[in-house]
Amino acid sequence: DQQVKQNSPSLSVQEGRISILNCDYTNSMFDYFLWYKKYPAEGPTFLISISSIKDKNEDGRFTVFLNKSAKHLSLHIVPSQPGDSAVYFCAISQGGSEKLVFGKGTKLTVNP
Amino acid sequence: NAGVTQTPKFQVLKTGQSMTLQCAQDMNHEYMSWYRQDPGMGLRLIHYSVGAGITDQGEVPNGYNVSRSTTEDFPLRLLSAAPSQTSVYFCASKDSGWNEKLFFGSGTQLSVL
Repeated sequence: DQQVKQNSPSLSVQEGRISILNCDYTNSMFDYFLWYKKYPAEGPTFLISISSIKDKNEDGRFTVFLNKSAKHLSLHIVPSQPGDSAVYFCAISQGGSEKLVFGKGTKLTVNP
Repeated sequence: NAGVTQTPKFQVLKTGQSMTLQCAQDMNHEYMSWYRQDPGMGLRLIHYSVGAGITDQGEVPNGYNVSRSTTEDFPLRLLSAAPSQTSVYFCASKDSGWNEKLFFGSGTQLSVL
């Protein structure tokens, strides 16, 4: 059973608009949440993270929101740029565990 | 700084052949891991290691072996390749600690015919 779900396989937005990528998880013991970005033929690269003691973390155009009661994580990209076109994975770790569990990814396309 | 280096980048095997995917990191990270990426399946953890001499299984360990004799290297062995092991393999490492981020290699694309 999937512990981390990204229910939208793809998302298409116009340049300059907001991109919102979503991630749901099942285990309330998860306490560290990350987003990775992956371009074709490259390895994933870290984008932004948030711990369970926070509900928001910002880094430039990227903001991650955490709703612990809903077990929901989202990534907002504002404004979206064509270079943001990539596959985005959410990844989650459980307290005390070194392991990261990844979602299936959402392919974001930002149209000029 | 090279980071995480994987070799080879591409490999074609016949069913039943064996091979080793190499992974090396120069960041003195204690934690290393192997993931496979398949279409529609995301990144699935195969094996991981929290330090030299220590390895453990992830979500999909069957058909793969690992060892960790040094901090720097974490090879992944396929003893008898099967078509179901056709995938893109990523090695990743990080500092010890539950809130540290993973650094990934550029991947190995493996095809088993």
